[in-house]
Amino acid sequence: EPEVTQTPSHQVTQMGQEVILRCVPISNHLYFYWYRQILGQKVEFLVSFYNNEISEKSEIFDDQFSVERPDGSNFTLKIRSTKLEDSAMYFCASIQAYNEQFFGPGTRLTVL
Amino acid sequence: AQSVTQPDIHITVSEGASLELRCNYSYGATPYLFWYVQSPGQGLQLLLKYFSGDTLVQGIKGFEAEFKRSQSSFNLRKPSVHWSDAAEYFCAVGASGGSYIPTFGRGTSLIVHP
Repeated sequence: EPEVTQTPSHQVTQMGQEVILRCVPISNHLYFYWYRQILGQKVEFLVSFYNNEISEKSEIFDDQFSVERPDGSNFTLKIRSTKLEDSAMYFCASIQAYNEQFFGPGTRLTVL
Repeated sequence: AQSVTQPDIHITVSEGASLELRCNYSYGATPYLFWYVQSPGQGLQLLLKYFSGDTLVQGIKGFEAEFKRSQSSFNLRKPSVHWSDAAEYFCAVGASGGSYIPTFGRGTSLIVHP
């Protein structure tokens, strides 16, 4: 069964460093998403991406963040100059059309 | 904009007992509704979804949920809980028109006693 994959599973970085979180959505899906879940809190929407551009973003998704689909398979989230409060689980999701999202297993980001 | 309320932060049940997790939503039209489960250290797995039609939907792992428009609710039920059901459960509502970005509730943590 096709699935969304994410790498790495755990990323540790120093405050102020840049990180890139990688996702491989399901191959025939068209819409891609990033969500964040701070420990013990709810899943929060960051950004959606369709047709090679951002379609919506939340207030969390400020200039520190960027997304890219550099090739036909990867979907990346870049966080510039990480802060302590960026420590969270980051989930990638994709859908084919108006249907349920398929989530990846997440990347745990720890900022020290 | 849509919103979701899961009023129970924690629910504790005994193994074999029935379960109901509450979810209330706010949305102006007919929503898309979902329940996801998250086991410790894992991603989100879809349990079931409601888009239209029969308001009682069956999902995986023996779960079901009922959409009640009059109460703006989509409660999750299971007649007999297993220890492996211990996890975090998230209700989500998606807009049926325009962009599709579900909003998640804060989650309910299910604890199962033997």
